Amino acid sequence: EVQLVESGGDLVQSGGSLRLSCEASGFTFNNFWVSWVRQAPGKGLEWVANMKQDGSEKYYVDSVRGRFTISRDNVKNSLYLEMTSLRAEDTAIYYCARERRPLPTGSFFDYWGRGTLVTVSS
Amino acid sequence: SYVLTQPPSVSVAPGETASITCGGSNIRFQSVHWYQQKPGQAPVLVLCHDDDRPSGIPERFSGSSSGNTATLTISRLEAGDEADYYCQVWDNNRDLGVFGGGTKLTVL
Repeated sequence: EVQLVESGGDLVQSGGSLRLSCEASGFTFNNFWVSWVRQAPGKGLEWVANMKQDGSEKYYVDSVRGRFTISRDNVKNSLYLEMTSLRAEDTAIYYCARERRPLPTGSFFDYWGRGTLVTVSS
Repeated sequence: SYVLTQPPSVSVAPGETASITCGGSNIRFQSVHWYQQKPGQAPVLVLCHDDDRPSGIPERFSGSSSGNTATLTISRLEAGDEADYYCQVWDNNRDLGVFGGGTKLTVL
């Protein structure tokens, strides 16, 4: 059974930092791109960042580029999101999602974790 | 950047057919994916590539795309279908994911 389990969410002050983790199981982690997707309270989904299987490519939404860093450890089957210079608008549930990337049509997300809540106080 | 527009809410009686639209420029040339999210739960993929159902998704869920509008259709609506639904495409030019704003489906 495919499972993605996020952790690391917390209450942090504006300007602070936080590191999220996502542990994957039930599939060959290093065969897949993986993404972070967030959802602010009562709002819709927003794609945040993703990373290629070997870590050689990574992409970010404009609002987090330069502040957030995505990384992965294929030995530990884990994905990470290092968040710095946090702002109130970063408050959200952060989901880890397995990405299917059938070129040339582009990616979608076939499995999601339950998410971890990040709250940034201003 | 590419923008997807969904109606905020749709209300339909049980047993009827619900149609949820997703508007985007020339969306017919995009591959559109749909997710269902129930309160307090993670999103679940219900359709990919416009009209492909993942394993376990009922045949009542179907999709189509034409012109500037993609549509998720749920037939023989059940109370358990009540949820938020999101469309999604991939912006290949910028290599990033794009979601619609979501539609709250209420089963009357």
